[in-house]
Amino acid sequence: SQQGEEDPQALSIQEGENATMNCSYKTSINNLQWYRQNSGRGLVHLILIRSNEREKHSGRLRVTLDTSKKSSSLLITASRAADTASYFCATDGTGNQFYFGTGTSLTVIP
Amino acid sequence: DAGVIQSPRHEVTEMGQEVTLRCKPISGHNSLFWYRQTMMRGLELLIYFNNNVPIDDSGMPEDRFSAKMPNASFSTLKIQPSEPRDSAVYFCASSFGGIRNQPQHFGDGTRLSIL
Repeated sequence: SQQGEEDPQALSIQEGENATMNCSYKTSINNLQWYRQNSGRGLVHLILIRSNEREKHSGRLRVTLDTSKKSSSLLITASRAADTASYFCATDGTGNQFYFGTGTSLTVIP
Repeated sequence: DAGVIQSPRHEVTEMGQEVTLRCKPISGHNSLFWYRQTMMRGLELLIYFNNNVPIDDSGMPEDRFSAKMPNASFSTLKIQPSEPRDSAVYFCASSFGGIRNQPQHFGDGTRLSIL
C-alpha cells in the first residue's frame, strides 16, 4: 500500500487565502518531500524536510513535520490562481523504495 | 537548462504490440527513476537506476515490463506484449545522489493508451 496519504483530497479557495494540506505516512523516514503537478505535466519538486527538522520555509511555502505523529503539512500563504495544481507528499521507505501520496487537488479561484 | 526529456508524449497502440518509452535524464544526474501514474493506483515507482545499474525493480508489475539504461544519458522502458491495463501516464525522473535526500526532476511523461 502507499506510504503517504494527503488530506483533503480536494480543496477550493479564493485567491489571497491560505491553503493547508496534510500528509500522513506509515513508517520511519529519512526525509519527506512535497511536489506540485500541473495538469498534463510532470511533478515539480517544492521542498524537502529532513526527519530531524520540524519546520521549513521556502517563499510562500511552509512545511511542518511531526515524526511522532507521522504527519506533515504544507501551507501555501496568499494563494494565487497559478497555485492551482495537485500537491503530493513523498517519503523514502525501507530499502530503495520511494512513495508518493494520493495527492490534494487545489483550486484557487481568481 | 534542458530538463528530463521523454518521448513520445503520447502513444496509442493496440494490445499485443510492443511499446518502447524513452527518457533522457538531466546531464550530470546519476540516478534515474521510472514511475507509472493512474487514477486507481496513483504514482508508483517501477524501477530505480543508479550509475546506470538497476538497483530496485520490485515495482515492475510483470515480466512484460523491462527497463534498460545503456548509458548515463538514455533509458528505455519496454512493454511487450502490451495490454489495456497498462494504459497510464509513465514518468521518468532523475536526480543527483540516489533515492534519498535528493529532489527528483520529472519529465512531462508519456501518456500511453492500449486499445
